[in-house]
Amino acid sequence: GAVVSQHPSRVICKSGTSVKIECRSLDFQATTMFWYRQFPKQSLMLMATSNEGSKATYEQGVEKDKFLINHASLTLSTLTVTSAHPEDSSFYICSAEGQGQGETQYFGPGTRLLVL
Amino acid sequence: ILNVEQSPQSLHVQEGDSTNFTCSFPSSNFYALHWYRWETAKSPEALFVMTLNGDEKKKGRISATLNTKEGYSYLYIKGSQPEDSATYLCAYYIIQGAQKLVFGQGTRLTINP
Repeated sequence: GAVVSQHPSRVICKSGTSVKIECRSLDFQATTMFWYRQFPKQSLMLMATSNEGSKATYEQGVEKDKFLINHASLTLSTLTVTSAHPEDSSFYICSAEGQGQGETQYFGPGTRLLVL
Repeated sequence: ILNVEQSPQSLHVQEGDSTNFTCSFPSSNFYALHWYRWETAKSPEALFVMTLNGDEKKKGRISATLNTKEGYSYLYIKGSQPEDSATYLCAYYIIQGAQKLVFGQGTRLTINP
């Protein structure tokens, strides 16, 4: 149980294009999902917290107009990197929280984005 | 700035040996500490959620202890096997203001056959 899928696993795009990444909880409902970013040799850094049916909460320094998050259902959250630039190249990974505060987060396998 | 430190950054262990590594975190306003195992090309897998000082949790050959007063947790692996090769992440759960996990950089464990 508690499986989270993420698509695509890898994407290469041209500078200036937008890229959408999907995160799905396959066998449970997730009112809260999280989006993280990982630069080489660094920790997972939280970008934003996504709550179903409401606006995402962005961490300090994360541009909300650049990284659009939609959480329209209890099983799907999407992250759209708008007008991507080479500096947006990174590893993006989502998670969905189990029931209850502080409970386990279940992670997707991540998306490697390369912007040329 | 909240700091979660893991040491060592990487570790090579002979198959069959036991090993352990450390996660340090702020001791004030503690709520929970999470441990995850992350194998290459897979999703991070939840190992433990630890909440009480003195807690010890076990999952097969892996166990973890928690000291919230001094701000550290140890992860132990007994009789290491090649399948234990992974990056082990700890994450401190913040509840003040936004509720979120703050991750350490991880300990990359390689088991040599």
